[in-house]
Amino acid sequence: QVQLVESGGGLVKPGGSLRLSCAASGFTFSDYYMSWIRQAPGKGLEWVSYISSSGSTIYYADSVKGRFTISRDNAKNSLYLQMNSLRAEDTAVYYCARSVVGANLLVQYWGQGTLVTVSS
Amino acid sequence: EIVMTQSPATLSVSPGERATLSCRASQSVSSNLAWYQQKPGQAPRLLIYGASTRATGIPARFSGSGSGTEFTLTISSLQSEDFAVYYCQQYNNWPPSATFGQGTKLEIK
Repeated sequence: QVQLVESGGGLVKPGGSLRLSCAASGFTFSDYYMSWIRQAPGKGLEWVSYISSSGSTIYYADSVKGRFTISRDNAKNSLYLQMNSLRAEDTAVYYCARSVVGANLLVQYWGQGTLVTVSS
Repeated sequence: EIVMTQSPATLSVSPGERATLSCRASQSVSSNLAWYQQKPGQAPRLLIYGASTRATGIPARFSGSGSGTEFTLTISSLQSEDFAVYYCQQYNNWPPSATFGQGTKLEIK
């Protein structure tokens, strides 16, 4: 079965950095677009970034552009999100998400999420 | 950016009754509309895609309709496990675009 397991969340000071990882299993990772989606405490869902199956196409939300970098390692079945210059408003649960083939931004599977807290 | 607006923010319905949730797009998204269900402490779950197609394993009491800018999620006979927050989402391959509505909380009346 499809499994997405995030790690790397935690408490970080404003201006700090954090790297999230997502370990994928149960499907051919290199066939699918992957995304990071976040949810601030008690709030709704916000698309953060996506990356194409080969890694050649990448998208960022305006709110994170220039600060976050998405990447993937198809040999390791892993997705990453490097987060720099973190702000209080980046505090959220970050979900790793797998899309549907042919609908790059339609999420079929979600991980359980990892909490990132930005606070001094 | 396409803005998705859901209504109402909170909907109170009794078990066994029908619930109707609405989602409006600020411009046409054709049928590129999905609905997700989220329970406390859990990740969202895909219910409906293509505006009206149920995802794998989703009960028939869930149905979606609409196209263009107006969409509806209907739950025909509410079960206890259906009380949750529901999000709509537009998705488009090109130009790449994906935005969520703010959610509708479905609560027990």
